[in-house]
Amino acid sequence: QVQLQQSGAELAKPGSSVKISCKASGYTFTSYYISWIKQTTGQGLEYIGYINTGSGGTNYNEKFKGKATLTVDKSSSTAFMQLSSLTPDDSAVYYCAEQSWFAYWGQGTLVTVSS
Amino acid sequence: DIQMTQSPASLSASLEEIVTITCQASQDIGNWLAWYQQKPGKSPQLLIYGATSLADGVPSRFSGSRSGTQYSLKISRLQVEDIGIYYCLQAYSAPYTFGAGTKLELK
Repeated sequence: QVQLQQSGAELAKPGSSVKISCKASGYTFTSYYISWIKQTTGQGLEYIGYINTGSGGTNYNEKFKGKATLTVDKSSSTAFMQLSSLTPDDSAVYYCAEQSWFAYWGQGTLVTVSS
Repeated sequence: DIQMTQSPASLSASLEEIVTITCQASQDIGNWLAWYQQKPGKSPQLLIYGATSLADGVPSRFSGSRSGTQYSLKISRLQVEDIGIYYCLQAYSAPYTFGAGTKLELK
């Protein structure tokens, strides 16, 4: 069965970076793009962007350009999202999801930015 | 960006009641609309895709419909396990955008 397993919670200081992973299993990794979504209590669900798991090509929501960097390691069927120059506004749960109608989601990674 | 206006923001309903949630798209998105259910502490779960297609394993009491740029999710007979927050998503053009959510509670 399709599974997306995300890395654990992160506590980071303002100005630092974090890198979240999303390991896929149960299907051919390069068959579907991987998207990333941010969820906060105040802003709901926000689409960050997606990565073509075959070519590594990316598409970002303008709002997250410069904030998020999406990469992929095909050898380990893992997608990554790096968040840089963190501020408290980046505190959220981040999800990866399989691009085809987001039928499959990771369990979410809580990122807390605090000094 | 395409705006998705979801209503109501919250809804209280009785067991076995019919529940309807709507999303209004700011422009034509065809059938590129999905509905999700989210329970506390869990990831969103796909219910409906392509505006009207039921996702695998989703009970048949859930259905989706479209009228122009207005989309609806209907729960025909509310069950306890249907309590949660519901979101719509437009997947017509990037950046994909979600509705603000509808919190469904039991009366």
